[in-house]
Amino acid sequence: GENVEQHPSTLSVQEGDSAVIKCTYSDSASNYFPWYKQELGKRPQLIIDIRSNVGEKKDQRIAVTLNKTAKHFSLHITETQPEDSAVYFCAASKARNSGYALNFGKGTSLLVTP
Amino acid sequence: SAVISQKPSRDICQRGTSLTIQCQVDSQVTMMFWYRQQPGQSLTLIATANQGSEATYESGFVIDKFPISRPNLTFSTLTVSNMSPEDSSIYLCSVVQGEGYGYTFGSGTRLTVV
Repeated sequence: GENVEQHPSTLSVQEGDSAVIKCTYSDSASNYFPWYKQELGKRPQLIIDIRSNVGEKKDQRIAVTLNKTAKHFSLHITETQPEDSAVYFCAASKARNSGYALNFGKGTSLLVTP
Repeated sequence: SAVISQKPSRDICQRGTSLTIQCQVDSQVTMMFWYRQQPGQSLTLIATANQGSEATYESGFVIDKFPISRPNLTFSTLTVSNMSPEDSSIYLCSVVQGEGYGYTFGSGTRLTVV
C-alpha cells in the first residue's frame, strides 16, 4: 500500500520567516495530495491540495509543489504568523472520486514564535 | 463541502464495554472512512464503509473489534468493542464528495478507556 513519509517532525521558525515541509510517497498511482492543518483538539482542516496533473498551486501565503518523477511534494508557508502554529499533515490518495482513502504522513508540528 | 455531525464528542468508558460512534452527513456520499488518531500521532485508516456492503478493514483492524454499519448514503456508525485502555484515541469519520471537493472530517470522538 501507499507509504507517505513526512519531514521534519518539528519545525520552529520566527514570525515572518518561511516554513517548508516535505513529503514523499511510494505509490506512483497516487494522484491527489492534500495538506491538512490540525490545531489542538480540533479536526484536520484542508488548507491546500494538488492533483498530479499540476506542478504547483498557490493560495495567498501557502503553496504546494509536486514532483511526480521523484514522488515528492512540499508545503511552503511564507510570512509565517503565530496563528500558523499547528500540526500539519500531508496525505496521498489514488483516484479520489473512486472512494480511495487518504494515507497520511506522520505530521509536522510547526511553531511560529513572535 | 459536506458537513459531518459526529457524536459523541467525547466519552470515558470502562474497560470491557463498547461504544458506538455516529456520523451523519448533510449530503449523500458513496464512501465513508473511519480513522483513529492516537495521542500525538497521525491519522490511521481503520476501514472504508460503502453503503450496502461490508466495510473493508485495514491491516491490524478487524470487524469483531470495530464493527461498522452503513445503512444509507448519509449515515454510518463505528463501534469500539470490548474496550481496553489501548483503545483510548480520537476516532474520526471522513467523506469525500465529487470532483472539486476535498476530504472532510467529522469533529472527532475523544475516547478514554479506564
